[in-house]
Amino acid sequence: EAGVAQSPRYKIIEKRQSVAFWCNPISGHATLYWYQQILGQGPKLLIQFQNNGVVDDSQLPKDRFSAERLKGVDSTLKIQPAKLEDSAVYLCASSLDRALRGGELFFGEGSRLTVL
Amino acid sequence: AQSVTQPDIHITVSEGASLELRCNYSYGATPYLFWYVQSPGQGLQLLLKYFSGDTLVQGIKGFEAEFKRSQSSFNLRKPSVHWSDAAEYFCAVGARAGTALIFGKGTTLSVSS
Repeated sequence: EAGVAQSPRYKIIEKRQSVAFWCNPISGHATLYWYQQILGQGPKLLIQFQNNGVVDDSQLPKDRFSAERLKGVDSTLKIQPAKLEDSAVYLCASSLDRALRGGELFFGEGSRLTVL
Repeated sequence: AQSVTQPDIHITVSEGASLELRCNYSYGATPYLFWYVQSPGQGLQLLLKYFSGDTLVQGIKGFEAEFKRSQSSFNLRKPSVHWSDAAEYFCAVGARAGTALIFGKGTTLSVSS
């Protein structure tokens, strides 16, 4: 089966500019996650969607970050305006919700953002 | 609140030697536990998971992990390390299926010849 697709793989922008990342989850996966991974750290959850509804966005910096998941499939994460500290890899993941599957997350390859 | 601690930031192991990466978690009930591996420039790949049953779980690439409730630990082991195992390893905990995972800060594994 096809994996989680993300684009772009790399993006370099100036501070105060905007950027958007796109994610297409594995077909049939109802839950989609965006994680931020700063160099040298573990991934940190930004937002979780179940179908097209938000389950958890408590760690999303809402003054500059926004995310949407239209029609319960693809998702877009936007940063506007970007700050230097937003330089990170943005990982998208998806999962099934059935308990027997063990709750594992399937990750895309990530989008690496550099803010200058 | 859930949390994960990986005490070792960086470990170097000789090729062919055994490996153990430590992971301690904090969670009130029986958690879902995972080990992921990340090679440079890649996403995270699942090595193994535990959510019930036998406390010794087998994963891909010859890895195994043991859930010890009394020690709140889920250490990753491999009897003989290969050079291709050099990567970043992350332990993660979840409350149940369909919930977000909390990740540790990771352990970087280097393999020497």
